[in-house]
Amino acid sequence: AQTVTQSQPEMSVQEAETVTLSCTYDTSESDYYLFWYKQPPSRQMILVIRQEAYKQQNATENRFSVNFQKAAKSFSLKISDSQLGDAAMYFCAYRTYTSGTGNQFYFGTGTSLTVIP
Amino acid sequence: NAGVMQNPRHLVRRRGQEARLRCSPMKGHSHVYWYRQLPEEGLKFMVYLQKENIIDESGMPKERFSAEFPKEGPSILRIQQVVRGDSAAYFCASSPTAPAHYGYTFGSGTRLTVV
Repeated sequence: AQTVTQSQPEMSVQEAETVTLSCTYDTSESDYYLFWYKQPPSRQMILVIRQEAYKQQNATENRFSVNFQKAAKSFSLKISDSQLGDAAMYFCAYRTYTSGTGNQFYFGTGTSLTVIP
Repeated sequence: NAGVMQNPRHLVRRRGQEARLRCSPMKGHSHVYWYRQLPEEGLKFMVYLQKENIIDESGMPKERFSAEFPKEGPSILRIQQVVRGDSAAYFCASSPTAPAHYGYTFGSGTRLTVV
């Protein structure tokens, strides 16, 4: 079964600085998707960034970028120029490439990010 | 275009009562997924439905839990005879007719508290 591990329960960063959140996963599949979701206190799950495993290029969305190391099964999230609004719980998630049964996401346990003014 | 709507946002039930959680997917989305988030944990898959069909319920507890997504109306997650351990946030997500190669669109969740 696929598992997703986030080894940092809590992280903090100074406003305007850069922080990297770690995520590793375990799978025997070769094609899959990886995601980072943000969950602020409102509880809304917000998609931050997505990566297809078959793409070698790391995904980037404005201040958010990933370091995808397929062989190492690592998928870290880098937040540049951190802002107060980035404070939230961040979840790493894995999804299989296939449809139908197994069409589910596997989430890590989350990293709580604090942004210090 | 309204997002995924879940209600109620908060639900308090006494042990032994029934809880009914509702989810209206985004317009045009016919795939619905339910996830449960226990305190200090990530979201765990429960069930995947399409209109009038349960596609995958491998994450649903075998007893007391059921889900439906009728032809008309919202998807319902029903928990009978609730126990303290059912206290959690329950999230619904939806995706368009194609499989979710992109991230789901999540609702804001229903926080169920069993007292």
